[in-house]
Amino acid sequence: GESVGLHLPTLSVQEGDNSIINCAYSNSASDYFIWYKQESGKGPQFIIDIRSNMDKRQGQRVTVLLNKTVKHLSLQIAATQPGDSAVYFCAEKGESGGYQKVTFGTGTKLQVIP
Amino acid sequence: DVKVTQSSRYLVKRTGEKVFLECVQDMDHENMFWYRQDPGLGLRLIYFSYDVKMKEKGDIPEGYSVSREKKERFSLILESASTNQTSMYLCASSSPGSLALSYEQYFGPGTRLTVT
Repeated sequence: GESVGLHLPTLSVQEGDNSIINCAYSNSASDYFIWYKQESGKGPQFIIDIRSNMDKRQGQRVTVLLNKTVKHLSLQIAATQPGDSAVYFCAEKGESGGYQKVTFGTGTKLQVIP
Repeated sequence: DVKVTQSSRYLVKRTGEKVFLECVQDMDHENMFWYRQDPGLGLRLIYFSYDVKMKEKGDIPEGYSVSREKKERFSLILESASTNQTSMYLCASSSPGSLALSYEQYFGPGTRLTVT
């Protein structure tokens, strides 16, 4: 029969507030991390990336924080807007079987309340 | 502007049918990927290819095969579709990691496949 997926974590934020989306990664040898945004009916789109030799990187209205000690990644969105409503995925890059492999998290749904 | 296109947005097939999902990219990327996306499970890698005629199994290759005869085209094949292959299928491409500043993958819009 058809399998049933797990419930997607949801973060609800008031328009204009800051959003923080968290991600725990699994491989301590991962050296590169990416955040993607997926709007309804579209494929994921790149937001921002960070290498493991950094602990913070800023873009336009977005900041990524990396804590390698606890293998934690976060995406902060300043002044959240309705257009930010989407599912956000973190991804980590490491080596597997001689290839550079990117592994995606399960995603967090961001709902912006007008 | 970077573009990855997939042959169909929606597809309905019957159990046992052979299904072809096509993906084309116009960025001259070496790397191409096929993922399936299910609610709460994120993106799971089915197969990938780092060069023409080259393919490698991802995390969930069972029930699937792929073909990469040309650099710009990467096809996913379901030899005998089953209901548990009902899912969203996403194709992506990227530049070679060792030469690129970024490992960003560019995704197509996805194909929602329903197997009845």
